[in-house]
Amino acid sequence: DTAVSQTPKYLVTQMGNDKSIKCEQNLGHDTMYWYKQDSKKFLKIMFSYNNKELIINETVPNRFSPKSPDKAHLNLHINSLELGDSAVYFCASSQRTGTPSRTQETQYFGPGTRLLVL
Amino acid sequence: LAKTTQPISMDSYEGQEVNITCSHNNIATNDYITWYQQFPSQGPRFIIQGYKTKVTNEVASLFIPADRKSSTLSLPRVSLSDTAVYYCLVGSYSGNTPLVFGKGTRLSVIA
Repeated sequence: DTAVSQTPKYLVTQMGNDKSIKCEQNLGHDTMYWYKQDSKKFLKIMFSYNNKELIINETVPNRFSPKSPDKAHLNLHINSLELGDSAVYFCASSQRTGTPSRTQETQYFGPGTRLLVL
Repeated sequence: LAKTTQPISMDSYEGQEVNITCSHNNIATNDYITWYQQFPSQGPRFIIQGYKTKVTNEVASLFIPADRKSSTLSLPRVSLSDTAVYYCLVGSYSGNTPLVFGKGTRLSVIA
């Protein structure tokens, strides 16, 4: 069974289009993330949701809008795609353990969605 | 956020032990140290996590000195399939501060 799955795996589209990427986790985790990995392989966090609530929103253009219909799903919608949006987008989920002052976490990543904007 | 510094790349022959050191001079009292592995065209995968001293699992060992300002990931007897990028992360996970993936260390295992 796939723990964190993403669809589609590949996405090729034209500039200006709107597209969505879906993510589902079957691990029962409370927290889900979207990361972007660019051509230089830097992995940057974009958003994080905990129990369907947005808790981390890094400096990301508002063309990117995450949506979490339930704890197991975190989708990413991108409006007006630009050339610079071409990257690999990874979804991840995690469950935090420990105490509030010392918390452990292991993130489980999906296989990635390779987005190419032409 | 504790910033981490790792070597950009390392080469090793098959069968050797590989040690990748990560510096994190500003590590906070509540921060954990976590290592992830990323193969080409895949998402990062958790390897090991520790707070102090030594942690060992079926994949690797993590050595953390008393001052916790650095940590060393040890991969015993590497094989070609261990060729990957290894990321060291430091953070407490409490609150809403995101962890930062650095550039990682690109390990190339040679036959």
